[in-house]
Amino acid sequence: NAGVTQTPKFRILKIGQSMTLQCTQDMNHNYMYWYRQDPGMGLKLIYYSVGAGITDKGEVPNGYNVSRSTTEDFPLRLELAAPSQTSVYFCASSYRDRGGSPLHFGNGTRLTVT
Amino acid sequence: DAKTTQPNSMESNEEEPVHLPCNHSTISGTDYIHWYRQLPSQGPEYVIHGLTSNVNNRMASLAIAEDRKSSTLILHRATLRDAAVYYCILREWNTGNQFYFGTGTSLTVIP
Repeated sequence: NAGVTQTPKFRILKIGQSMTLQCTQDMNHNYMYWYRQDPGMGLKLIYYSVGAGITDKGEVPNGYNVSRSTTEDFPLRLELAAPSQTSVYFCASSYRDRGGSPLHFGNGTRLTVT
Repeated sequence: DAKTTQPNSMESNEEEPVHLPCNHSTISGTDYIHWYRQLPSQGPEYVIHGLTSNVNNRMASLAIAEDRKSSTLILHRATLRDAAVYYCILREWNTGNQFYFGTGTSLTVIP
């Protein structure tokens, strides 16, 4: 039972480079989320999706893009990496309901932009 | 986005009960109260959630005030493995089911 899988675990980017953080879940969850966590801080919501083909912005969407072509996958794209995007990125998913289902998190991707 | 307020840090002796408070005065009638914890260098993990009534599971208990403007996560016997950051979150289902995390409470367990 894999749950939420994120790849890669670690990545170092140079300023201006692009990359895609991968997230896939095998629990048939409708809702998926991307968070970032800066050192010593709480999690900030970047983007979320309530189903395939539907995405919406969270608190800190600038500099990121997402897509949701399947229920299972929710990749996060960084187009022009900046040092301010150095962070740990977590993907999460949950069932579609009125709020009683918990979030399931991946193990995170640690990204450094230099 | 509905906000929660938690103390930045708390300490507890090992094997003693811990009461972690959370204020959510702007909660609406359809918001669920969720608690997560994050162990060092790990992703957050689910602890417990509730709507109106108190809840118990194998990890903890959740006590919800009658007016729902506050809640308390109760760890019945703290162990060293419970040292983590604990987040209290409101799940706002009627605004897209976002989960907004605050800064949480960092719990230190003293042996």
